[in-house]
Amino acid sequence: EPEVTQTPSHQVTQMGQEVILRCVPISNHLYFYWYRQILGQKVEFLVSFYNNEISEKSEIFDDQFSVERPDGSNFTLKIRSTKLEDSAMYFCASSAFYEQYFGPGTRLTVT
Amino acid sequence: AQSVAQPEDQVNVAEGNPLTVKCTYSVSGNPYLFWYVQYPNRGLQFLLKYITGDNLVKGSYGFEAEFNKSQTSFHLKKPSALVSDSALYFCAVRDGNGGSQGNLIFGKGTKLSVKP
Repeated sequence: EPEVTQTPSHQVTQMGQEVILRCVPISNHLYFYWYRQILGQKVEFLVSFYNNEISEKSEIFDDQFSVERPDGSNFTLKIRSTKLEDSAMYFCASSAFYEQYFGPGTRLTVT
Repeated sequence: AQSVAQPEDQVNVAEGNPLTVKCTYSVSGNPYLFWYVQYPNRGLQFLLKYITGDNLVKGSYGFEAEFNKSQTSFHLKKPSALVSDSALYFCAVRDGNGGSQGNLIFGKGTKLSVKP
């Protein structure tokens, strides 16, 4: 069964550094999403992406964040200058119709 | 504003007994409702959805959920719980007036513990 994959599974970075989180969505899906979950809190929407552009973003998704689909398979989330409060589990999701399919997540730790 | 409430942090059930995990929602338009399950160190796995039609929807692993418009609820149920059902369960909603796609609003999750 096809599934969403994410790399790395765990990323440790220093405050102020740039990080890129990578996702490979399910191959025939056209809609892509990033969510995050801070430890002990709800899963929160960050951004959605369709047809090579952002279709919706939350207030969390400020100028420090960007997304890209650099080729036909990858979907990336870049955080330009990480802050301590960016520490969270980041989930990528893709969708063809109504339901979204999630990857296993990348745990980002900012020190 | 859209929101989801899962009033129970934890639900404890004996194996073989029926289980219910509660969810209530608030959206301005027609609700699209979803249940996801998360096992330790895994992503969110889709269980079932309500878009339109029958109020009782069936999903993976024997789970079902009942949409109740008047009570704005979408409780997850299973007639006979298994120890392997122990996991974290998330209810999610989005406003269906936006079409088939859109961001999900999640509840805080309910930990289900099934004891032998």
